[in-house]
Amino acid sequence: SSELTQDPAVSVALGQTVRITCQGDSLRSYYASWYQQKPGQAPVLVIYGKNNRPSGIPDRFSGSSSGNTASLTITGAQAEDEADYYCNSRDSSGNHLNVVFGGGTKLTVL
Amino acid sequence: QVQLVESGGGVVQPGGSLRLSCAASGFTFSSYGMHWVRQAPGKGLEWVAFIRYDGSNKYYADSVKGRFTISRDNSKNTLYLQMNSLRAEDTAVYYCAKVVWFGELLYYDYWGQGTLVTVSS
Repeated sequence: SSELTQDPAVSVALGQTVRITCQGDSLRSYYASWYQQKPGQAPVLVIYGKNNRPSGIPDRFSGSSSGNTASLTITGAQAEDEADYYCNSRDSSGNHLNVVFGGGTKLTVL
Repeated sequence: QVQLVESGGGVVQPGGSLRLSCAASGFTFSSYGMHWVRQAPGKGLEWVAFIRYDGSNKYYADSVKGRFTISRDNSKNTLYLQMNSLRAEDTAVYYCAKVVWFGELLYYDYWGQGTLVTVSS
């Protein structure tokens, strides 16, 4: 099955812009979605599809994609954005449904 | 509002069985596919299983195929995960998640709070 690769850790200064990337073959065929997870909490969807935000997600979160790489950008990072971020997509291998997640990126806001 | 509430987690010995439940409310449960996703302590998210809205199709991760069974009772708005032949590596928080899936787009718009399964002697 396919895999999605994320940098394990990224840091950003308060108020600056940070990009978190996700690479994988499945992203050539399928959209990525992005989830924020804070310690002890369930994941929360922040971006899905081409660049869609669920209701309640601040517009400083945006998504983009090119080739086999999807990106989550936080423009003007806030202290409350410090969390783990996971990408996921369908898996393009095989005829049956398979779902893959990236290993997660720990975002530190300095 | 949408709510997903898991239950049934606990401590079980290797080789044992456990059944997880996920009670859904706030949406038309019988119209949506549902997934189980797990997270081992300190690790990332791992997809476990999917069931179609009407229960007609089920898919499993290779790591649980043949041991876990996903099912649903639309009359009770409840999702299940029967876990047999449990191993230490199945220790994780198990989340149920409501999925939106069409074509090249698949995402989880709602998650439960999770239930912890610990496999240990």
